[in-house]
Amino acid sequence: GESVGLHLPTLSVQEGDNSIINCAYSNSASDYFIWYKQESGKGPQFIIDIRSNMDKRQGQRVTVLLNKTVKHLSLQIAATQPGDSAVYFCAETYSGNTPLVFGKGTRLSVIA
Amino acid sequence: SQTIHQWPATLVQPVGSPLSLECTVEGTSNPNLYWYRQAAGRGLQLLFYSVGIGQISSEVPQNLSASRPQDRQFILSSKKLLLSDSGFYLCAWSGGTDNQPQHFGDGTRLSIL
Repeated sequence: GESVGLHLPTLSVQEGDNSIINCAYSNSASDYFIWYKQESGKGPQFIIDIRSNMDKRQGQRVTVLLNKTVKHLSLQIAATQPGDSAVYFCAETYSGNTPLVFGKGTRLSVIA
Repeated sequence: SQTIHQWPATLVQPVGSPLSLECTVEGTSNPNLYWYRQAAGRGLQLLFYSVGIGQISSEVPQNLSASRPQDRQFILSSKKLLLSDSGFYLCAWSGGTDNQPQHFGDGTRLSIL
């Protein structure tokens, strides 16, 4: 769920390693989930989405996993690069043309 | 392809002055439109969203207002800015049907002095 009042947690990874960013959502009715990447001074950029009828979806170097049982979403980034350094947000919504609810975000720092 | 434009990119305003931020979308029709605010190092707070011309839903009570005079135009306004209105304002659009990602503009950095 949305927690806009909290400071962002940080994940530091070595360049070339895999990154896993986690997100817990609160609404069991949510059926659509998105990961966004936000670089400093820019708007969030769509990375990948997944619908609730799926458990896993892969993109280019990214994989999203959805566990509806425990209401958990994760983003895996393979072979993390310096350009992956950013804040990553998960977002959820449910059918009915409702606005997305954003998670609190995680700052990913890639160590060269 | 669809594009979203926000302006200005940065704005410095004195306390008590009015505000008007504009957002336009190109390449789509009947989009849902959104205004968010983001404090430094924080998450996104939904301020307003609109599913059609003249239809505005307010999520957070405050001294800001939004208007949608045209299908692809969304305006964020204030009659009298407060220090607490400082932040990064983001406009976004999505398709007008279920389960559509939102696409964000580049944001406006607003500083109130």
